[in-house]
Amino acid sequence: GENVEQHPSTLSVQEGDSAVIKCTYSDSASNYFPWYKQELGKGPQLIIDIRSNVGEKKDQRIAVTLNKTAKHFSLHITETQPEDSAVYFCAARGAQKLVFGQGTRLTINP
Amino acid sequence: GAVVSQHPSWVICKSGTSVKIECRSLDFQATTMFWYRQFPKQSLMLMATSNEGSKATYEQGVEKDKFLINHASLTLSTLTVTSAHPEDSSFYICSASETGAFYGYTFGSGTRLTVV
Repeated sequence: GENVEQHPSTLSVQEGDSAVIKCTYSDSASNYFPWYKQELGKGPQLIIDIRSNVGEKKDQRIAVTLNKTAKHFSLHITETQPEDSAVYFCAARGAQKLVFGQGTRLTINP
Repeated sequence: GAVVSQHPSWVICKSGTSVKIECRSLDFQATTMFWYRQFPKQSLMLMATSNEGSKATYEQGVEKDKFLINHASLTLSTLTVTSAHPEDSSFYICSASETGAFYGYTFGSGTRLTVV
């Protein structure tokens, strides 16, 4: 089955700087890669996603890149703000099911 | 946008009792719903996939007799934790995929279960 590895587990950046979180997946048949933001005590919220036929997608300060050959994808957050502090999860869909990475706790320092 | 409502948001129950958690898709029909469990500071682990009108498919290691899933309509799935024990205390989250949509999973707000 699919296996997703996510790094780093914690990330601390200064407000205004950029943050990058990386994930690798194992199943070459996976075709959908969403990123979720989870705040304490809440369910995950989709922030951006990318399909396997696209290499890059951007939505304002957030972008995702996908390298199918290397089987890795990354989340880029620019101009970070205090409200970006949360836990971020990557996921890959294999066989209809989403498999999640281990999560990254992002802290934005003012 | 698609909204999934999950209730209750938190529940405390005594050991040995059963607890039911509801997951509703408010503005779309969901043929498939997913149930996850999340322990503190850990990732989401898929417990089971439920399809409307049929039996749920459980992931390896998940006791189907303990975690009863019912998906009787296109907008409602329920998870019942039977004979709950303290080790069942966790954060349970449902997710729904809109019928006919190939992409996109909407998550509920989660239920914090504490068994005392």
